[in-house]
Amino acid sequence: GDSVTQMEGPVTLSEEAFLTINCTYTATGYPSLFWYVQYPGEGLQLLLKATKADDKGSNKGFEATYRKETTSFHLEKGSVQVSDSAVYFCALSGVTGSGNTGKLIFGQGTTLQVKP
Amino acid sequence: DAGVTQSPTHLIKTRGQQVTLRCSPKSGHDTVSWYQQALGQGPQFIFQYYEEEERQRGNFPDRFSGHQFPNYSSELNVNALLLGDSALYLCASSPDRVDTGELFFGEGSRLTVL
Repeated sequence: GDSVTQMEGPVTLSEEAFLTINCTYTATGYPSLFWYVQYPGEGLQLLLKATKADDKGSNKGFEATYRKETTSFHLEKGSVQVSDSAVYFCALSGVTGSGNTGKLIFGQGTTLQVKP
Repeated sequence: DAGVTQSPTHLIKTRGQQVTLRCSPKSGHDTVSWYQQALGQGPQFIFQYYEEEERQRGNFPDRFSGHQFPNYSSELNVNALLLGDSALYLCASSPDRVDTGELFFGEGSRLTVL
């Protein structure tokens, strides 16, 4: 079945460091791909998305490119801030002939801690 | 505009008991999904409701059941609680014909089973 694998954490970085969180997926067809973020004490919220191969999603300085050939969707940010400390989840949503299934399959999450 | 709201936020039950969790979707959304998030893990899909019917179901036993009301709000019921049911239960909503699969999540109900 469909699955998502992301790098294990925690990841600890100093402020202004470069961030990469790896994510690979297994899916039939062409899923939509997402990064969700869970800040302390808050609900999951969408960070960025990509719906087809070679699409680049971006938001708040974060970017991820949908790589079909490597089945990857790695999250990157050039300069992290303390406020980026959170848990990051890679996810996919399967697509059928009727469109997106609306069912998300998540990776296990990667905790990012940014120190001043 | 209120987002997805869930209640209660925390609750403690003992093994064998039953629990009901509640969710009100974001305004304008008619599809509600429930996820279970164990500590340190990603959320796992339980089921999805649309037009008051269960439309999809994940790999969860029949002890997990749900309901959607005409106002699109939803309940998750878990019977015969096990220690392993301890988790954060997330409700997510979306408009049915969403093209991108984006879901809006509540903050969750944290269930502890003793």
